[in-house]
Amino acid sequence: AQRVTQPEKLLSVFKGAPVELKCNYSYSGSPELFWYVQYSRQRLQLLLRHISRESIKGFTADLNKGETSFHLKKPFAQEEDSAMYYCALSGNNAGNMLTFGGGTRLMVKP
Amino acid sequence: KAGVTQTPRYLIKTRGQQVTLSCSPISGHRSVSWYQQTPGQGLQFLFEYFSETQRNKGNFPGRFSGRQFSNSRSEMNVSTLELGDSALYLCASSSGSNRFNYGYTFGSGTRLTVV
Repeated sequence: AQRVTQPEKLLSVFKGAPVELKCNYSYSGSPELFWYVQYSRQRLQLLLRHISRESIKGFTADLNKGETSFHLKKPFAQEEDSAMYYCALSGNNAGNMLTFGGGTRLMVKP
Repeated sequence: KAGVTQTPRYLIKTRGQQVTLSCSPISGHRSVSWYQQTPGQGLQFLFEYFSETQRNKGNFPGRFSGRQFSNSRSEMNVSTLELGDSALYLCASSSGSNRFNYGYTFGSGTRLTVV
């Protein structure tokens, strides 16, 4: 079975502070990991995929297979980063099924 | 290009009724997935369709069903509605390769309220 855990429901930081949103997963194979973001009154949207190894809006995430983690990081938070963030896992079964974590609400205070 | 379109946006139904929700994916996307989002359970996978075939199914009762048409549009149906079916139902489309998951594009959802 596959499982994604986001231990923090709410993370509050000041503008300019570093941000780390935690994500741990449980999966026996080689997963694909994603971060999705939902800004207020907007659709859930893909932020980044581990396989792309890219930085989007200053966010990066590294897959650590030893610790089974995929934490999302940004060195300097901006107020516009305030949103709901979901970590998600896709197993190596055929198809596009994603298992989502419970989400972390990030609040960036001025 | 047009995004993922879900209709209707809002629905109010009575217990015991059935409901059909519709989703039009991004043009060219062959994979359509459905998720149920509730405050208590979060985002839970319902099923995925690819080229008119159900490719994956989540852990929901048989009252939840779906289908996909030849133009990739998808519908999901919930029969004998229960109060606990009240949720936001999200549709997501993907280009749907078997080997790589490119990530979803989500629709705005259909908010279903069962009274």
